[in-house]
Amino acid sequence: EAGVVQSPRYKIIEKKQPVAFWCNPISGHNTLYWYRQNLGQGPELLIRYENEEAVDDSQLPKDRFSAERLKGVDSTLKIQPAELGDSAVYLCASSHSPRAFLMNTEAFFGQGTRLTVV
Amino acid sequence: AQKVTQAQTEISVVEKEDVTLDCVYETRDTTYYLFWYKQPPSGELVFLIRRNSFDEQNEISGRYSWNFQKSTSSFNFTITASQVVDSAVYFCALRPNTGGFKTIFGAGTRLFVKA
Repeated sequence: EAGVVQSPRYKIIEKKQPVAFWCNPISGHNTLYWYRQNLGQGPELLIRYENEEAVDDSQLPKDRFSAERLKGVDSTLKIQPAELGDSAVYLCASSHSPRAFLMNTEAFFGQGTRLTVV
Repeated sequence: AQKVTQAQTEISVVEKEDVTLDCVYETRDTTYYLFWYKQPPSGELVFLIRRNSFDEQNEISGRYSWNFQKSTSSFNFTITASQVVDSAVYFCALRPNTGGFKTIFGAGTRLFVKA
């Protein structure tokens, strides 16, 4: 079974430029997450989707970040314009709905996109 | 408040040594999940174990074992007879069953296993 696929793996852009990341979750997983991981830290949630609905975007800096999950499968995360502080690894993960307690609801992660803003 | 503390930033051991990675969590929820993930240099977080708050049984999987103690809010991870391939960053995480099911990760412990 294919895992979570993200692209690109690496991206270097100049500040003020736009950038987009793409994620294809594991088939059958209705929940999709975007995390940001700064160097030496654990991942921090940016947004969680259940199917097409963004159920938790409280940590997403909405002035410059946007995300979409059309048709409840693939997702894109966009930053426009990028700032130097956005340099980080952006991780996508998917799972069965965490509302289903006592089922297999752990998240599976992609390899991430390492963004460098110069 | 929900919080996960991994007090050990880095640990260095020699191959075949046993090593324990500590994890202490804080939550007011009575229902929650705890997780451990491994992040090798490739960057992908690899799921290792899930434990729910109602199950305090310790678990062993090969060279890996986990000790969950609600009395001390700890969920420690032990690698027996460590190998070079165990070198990675290990994250402990907490997901309460309320508050939007948000998973909180610790800062991670970087494990170096030297040959």
